[in-house]
Amino acid sequence: DAKTTQPPSMDCAEGRAANLPCNHSTISGNEYVYWYRQIHSQGPQYIIHGLKNNETNEMASLIITEDRKSSTLILPHATLRDTAVYYCIVKGGTSYGKLTFGQGTILTVHP
Amino acid sequence: DTAVSQTPKYLVTQMGNDKSIKCEQNLGHDTMYWYKQDSKKFLKIMFSYNNKELIINETVPNRFSPKSPDKAHLNLHINSLELGDSAVYFCASSHPDRDTGELFFGEGSRLTVL
Repeated sequence: DAKTTQPPSMDCAEGRAANLPCNHSTISGNEYVYWYRQIHSQGPQYIIHGLKNNETNEMASLIITEDRKSSTLILPHATLRDTAVYYCIVKGGTSYGKLTFGQGTILTVHP
Repeated sequence: DTAVSQTPKYLVTQMGNDKSIKCEQNLGHDTMYWYKQDSKKFLKIMFSYNNKELIINETVPNRFSPKSPDKAHLNLHINSLELGDSAVYFCASSHPDRDTGELFFGEGSRLTVL
């Protein structure tokens, strides 16, 4: 599975959009981009995933560049409860649920 | 209702002891996992079972033995505990599709070996 690069930390004001970038320049054609987050002392939580089209669900939006070498997770109106470590994971289609977690981005949402 | 539940949530024990962590999911999933999060917060897969059969074993010491009595349960037994086994262990499950990356994780079991 392709490696990902994320900034170690980011800040965001409550109520503003949080845009979390991820680079995955070695992604291959059949690999998906997944985003998870881990709130302190809890298990990781699935947020969203995509292949090449932009995706949106009730939690977030995922924007994948046309060349698929990077993506951005958007939390449209961040709240204090969104403070967490966010993981960008690239996963191939034949590895069951084997997720390779990196260090992620610590997002801190400020009042 | 908790989708993926683990017990115990906290476990403190001495080196050399044997301990077990239990996991149950009520999501009707066929595939279950154990992940380990070490002191540096890295999360790594240890095992995966699909329909009670082992499908992923990530070079984990054979002191760790997962057991799946049925599709809804995946327990982790650890023999001869070592200091380095101290970590948070997460159980997870997923839909019976081998391509999926959408996992449902439990709240974790924090193991401390003294």
